[in-house]
Amino acid sequence: GAVVSQHPSWVICKSGTSVKIECRSLDFQATTMFWYRQFPKQSLMLMATSNEGSKATYEQGVEKDKFLINHASLTLSTLTVTSAHPEDSSFYICSAKEGGLGSSEQYFGPGTRLTVT
Amino acid sequence: GQNIDQPTEMTATEGAIVQINCTYQTSGFNGLFWYQQHAGEAPTFLSYNVLDGLEEKGRFSSFLSRSKGYSYLLLKELQMKDSASYLCAVSDSNYQLIWGAGTKLIIKP
Repeated sequence: GAVVSQHPSWVICKSGTSVKIECRSLDFQATTMFWYRQFPKQSLMLMATSNEGSKATYEQGVEKDKFLINHASLTLSTLTVTSAHPEDSSFYICSAKEGGLGSSEQYFGPGTRLTVT
Repeated sequence: GQNIDQPTEMTATEGAIVQINCTYQTSGFNGLFWYQQHAGEAPTFLSYNVLDGLEEKGRFSSFLSRSKGYSYLLLKELQMKDSASYLCAVSDSNYQLIWGAGTKLIIKP
């Protein structure tokens, strides 16, 4: 149980275009989903936290107008990278929590590798 | 500020034992996690400690001392497939995960 999927697993796009990444909890309801970014040889960096039906909370330094997050249902959150630039090329990973604030484990999706040319 | 420290890289021999340490300073504590991450893949859950002591799970064990702000991950009978990065993460007072930079473990035959 507790499986999280991401789609696509990798994507190449041209500079200036937008890319949407989906994160789904397949066998549980995710009240909270997290979006991370990871550059090569670096640790995970939390970008934003999203709760179903409400606006995402962005970490300092993350542009909310550039990284649009929608958590429309208890099983789906999307991250849209708008007007992508080469410096946005990274490994984007989502994770999901099953319960409320006090629940412990985050379940990670397999990640999406974005390359902007 | 909040801080998680772990060694950048460690090397060990196949079949041996290795201990990866993690020290933390966070605003509040709601548990400590260890994750394994192979290159190019997402992290996978290894262990969770919220009370002091040792949690054993097969070849992997994790220890926590809350008074010392210290944890370690112990890997026994090392296999080549254990070559990966090991991430220490602490859940703070807001249940946000604070991540360490990860320890790259290299296993040599």
